[in-house]
Amino acid sequence: AQSVSQHNHHVILSEAASLELGCNYSYGGTVNLFWYVQYPGQHLQLLLKYFSGDPLVKGIKGFEAEFIKSKFSFNLRKPSVQWSDTAEYFCAVNNQGGKLIFGQGTELSVKP
Amino acid sequence: DGGITQSPKYLFRKEGQNVTLSCEQNLNHDAMYWYRQDPGQGLRLIYYSQIVNDFQKGDIAEGYSVSREKKESFPLTVTSAQKNPTAFYLCASSQQRLAGVKDTQYFGPGTRLTVL
Repeated sequence: AQSVSQHNHHVILSEAASLELGCNYSYGGTVNLFWYVQYPGQHLQLLLKYFSGDPLVKGIKGFEAEFIKSKFSFNLRKPSVQWSDTAEYFCAVNNQGGKLIFGQGTELSVKP
Repeated sequence: DGGITQSPKYLFRKEGQNVTLSCEQNLNHDAMYWYRQDPGQGLRLIYYSQIVNDFQKGDIAEGYSVSREKKESFPLTVTSAQKNPTAFYLCASSQQRLAGVKDTQYFGPGTRLTVL
């Protein structure tokens, strides 16, 4: 069965540190890839998405992600985190079959 | 103001009672979805509907039921058959009927259900 794995369950960083959250999926066909973010007390929001084309995609708030097909990965990065980035981050994959498969989520805590 | 609304925000239920969670969208989206969110497990799909009067089971449909009588509404009923109903429930919608073809899901604010 298709699955999505996020390697880090809880990440703690200081402000200005660089961030990389891992995401791997198990599906060999064409996929659409997403990162969603859930700030405390807020909606789940779309951070960025990859459908096709340039494998390096840029999202809101300075986030970017790189799709590496050979590694089945879609890691999220940000060069310098802020306290306001404290949230839970979810990677999701859609194999064009109509269902999004989510990873377990990574909780990011940024210390001021 | 366009978007997805869910009500209520918090819901308490006694064991053995059915309860219905509301989800409404004014985005004119064809497809709607219900997810359950539990700590450390991400989001799991309960039911989805790609068009009015049609819906399909997701990965964890047991103990839940849905209806899709109107395009903008997709209520979820948590029945007494659901063994562990305490969770955060999220509704989502997406534009395309043939979901998955460059389709993005947008989420509501969620309903937190607690069974007492």
